[in-house]
Amino acid sequence: QKEVEQNSGPLSVPEGAIASLNCTYSDRGSQSFFWYRQYSGKSPELIMSIYSNGDKEDGRFTAQLNKASQYVSLLIRDSQPSDSATYLCAVNMLAGNQFYFGTGTSLTVIP
Amino acid sequence: EPEVTQTPSHQVTQMGQEVILRCVPISNHLYFYWYRQILGQKVEFLVSFYNNEISEKSEIFDDQFSVERPDGSNFTLKIRSTKLEDSAMYFCASSPAGIFYEQYFGPGTRLTVT
Repeated sequence: QKEVEQNSGPLSVPEGAIASLNCTYSDRGSQSFFWYRQYSGKSPELIMSIYSNGDKEDGRFTAQLNKASQYVSLLIRDSQPSDSATYLCAVNMLAGNQFYFGTGTSLTVIP
Repeated sequence: EPEVTQTPSHQVTQMGQEVILRCVPISNHLYFYWYRQILGQKVEFLVSFYNNEISEKSEIFDDQFSVERPDGSNFTLKIRSTKLEDSAMYFCASSPAGIFYEQYFGPGTRLTVT
């Protein structure tokens, strides 16, 4: 069974703090990893992709990948109220031509 | 910036009726996908499409579902005989290359089966 696990939250952080979102996946052969943001009633919006171990930074967002631990995370620095959304982890698992999504972590940034 | 578009935004249908959901992927993308999201649940893969044929489908994508690229721009999902449990948001996505690359999602069609 191919699984992507996320803590559903809710996660609350004060404005300006760092939000840390975590994701684990079951398929050791997975090769590509994505973070999407989904506002209520809207579609997933791509934030970050990461393909190799280590950190990848894009503005206030940093994705971290550890394939040995089958773990991917997203850090949001200087969190803003507009970052309040559900964050979805998506993984391409080697055996299939599809993404597997986690259930998402709900983030609330408190002004 | 190019984007995936979907029509209609909301479709209400009666159980047993056929529905067609429409998508226009980003123009230079080669891979197309349908996903669904039942309210409060996770996004689930339905089908991927490349080079005018299905490349993969999930267990959800049974004989009641079909996809088609009727022309150079549209990509459709047909549900032949809708059930109550088909009520969900349906998202179309496209990707410039294969499965290892980013997928860009359309705004979705909310399907309500009564």
